[in-house]
Amino acid sequence: DAGVIQSPRHEVTEMGQEVTLRCKPISGHDYLFWYRQTMMRGLELLIYFNNNVPIDDSGMPEDRFSAKMPNASFSTLKIQPSEPRDSAVYFCASSLWGDDTQYFGPGTRLTVL
Amino acid sequence: AQSVAQPEDQVNVAEGNPLTVKCTYSVSGNPYLFWYVQYPNRGLQFLLKYITGDNLVKGSYGFEAEFNKSQTSFHLKKPSALVSDSALYFCAVRESSNYQLIWGAGTKLIIKP
Repeated sequence: DAGVIQSPRHEVTEMGQEVTLRCKPISGHDYLFWYRQTMMRGLELLIYFNNNVPIDDSGMPEDRFSAKMPNASFSTLKIQPSEPRDSAVYFCASSLWGDDTQYFGPGTRLTVL
Repeated sequence: AQSVAQPEDQVNVAEGNPLTVKCTYSVSGNPYLFWYVQYPNRGLQFLLKYITGDNLVKGSYGFEAEFNKSQTSFHLKKPSALVSDSALYFCAVRESSNYQLIWGAGTKLIIKP
């Protein structure tokens, strides 16, 4: 199994630009999580899906952030417009109901100038 | 409300000595407890978990953790530390009725030769 795949691995953009982060969960997993990691705030859950349906998006910082999961094998996290304070590492993780273990992707390091 | 505390930002241990990384938690009901490790520039990797059963849980890379209900603790341990164990360690908890994990702030473990 290839594990959770995230792209791009690194993204550098300018303030005001739209940023789209992508995630392919492990095949067969029915939960998908988006996290943000910063030195100041640690690891934060942004949103999670079950069977492609958003269950809890209370961690999404503001309306500039949106996430979709159009099918079981793909999810996106979009920031529009981006701001320097959005600079962080964004992780996607997936899990299978009954397993309880979340499997993380390698992350996307986002830098907003 | 659920919470996780990792009281030490950093733990320093000499190679070959035993190590302990502390974690305490607060949940309503029965806890599901997890330890993850993060190496530099990598995603989080699952180490071990406690759901039910034996209070001593064994995991990857020779790590183990002991669930102590009376002290609401789930400390991570290893009998003999290796330099390669140097990494960031996260404790996480969830209630049995809620699929969302609550994460600790992380503890940086440094193993000196």
